[in-house]
Amino acid sequence: NAGVTQTPKFQVLKTGQSMTLQCAQDMNHNSMYWYRQDPGMGLRLIYYSASEGTTDKGEVPNGYNVSRLNKREFSLRLESAAPSQTSVYFCASSERGRPDNEKLFFGSGTQLSVL
Amino acid sequence: GESVGLHLPTLSVQEGDNSIINCAYSNSASDYFIWYKQESGKGPQFIIDIRSNMDKRQGQRVTVLLNKTVKHLSLQIAATQPGDSAVYFCAENRGGSGTYKYIFGTGTRLKVLA
Repeated sequence: NAGVTQTPKFQVLKTGQSMTLQCAQDMNHNSMYWYRQDPGMGLRLIYYSASEGTTDKGEVPNGYNVSRLNKREFSLRLESAAPSQTSVYFCASSERGRPDNEKLFFGSGTQLSVL
Repeated sequence: GESVGLHLPTLSVQEGDNSIINCAYSNSASDYFIWYKQESGKGPQFIIDIRSNMDKRQGQRVTVLLNKTVKHLSLQIAATQPGDSAVYFCAENRGGSGTYKYIFGTGTRLKVLA
């Protein structure tokens, strides 16, 4: 059971380049999330998808777009990368709405550097 | 490599001792709290959770205490082991099963001394 799988693990971009971070979960969870983690700050929510077919902005959505491709997959796209987007990105999933199982499960992260 | 806060508060404990890691949360309406462990270069790993209708919950070697009066959460690790060395942070969910936004603390680095 792989849980939450993210690709790639590392990426270096030049300013202005675009890329898509991929995420897939095999736990049949309804909700999926994209977070970024920066030194000295807690995880911050970029976008989330409460269920298949819906997406909503989180705390820091500017410069990003997302696609909930199906129940398993949730991708994050940087259309024109900026140095301020250098960060570690985590995808997560949960069964939010079930009182006995709402915890977030995280992938192993993508370390992105924008030069 | 290590990507979690370079200047995190650090708790150093001797192997075998008990560890207590604290977290202050901000919203009295938060109804669900989670503790995570994050090892270098890895994603956060669930440790234990607690709902606001509870004061205490125990797991294997870990206990979470919730004090709603002062909006304080603590994680106790019994008989701390070298494998417990990591960054620990709490997360709160602000209100209701319809809210999907978790707020994360910045974390505390636990160092276990042999």
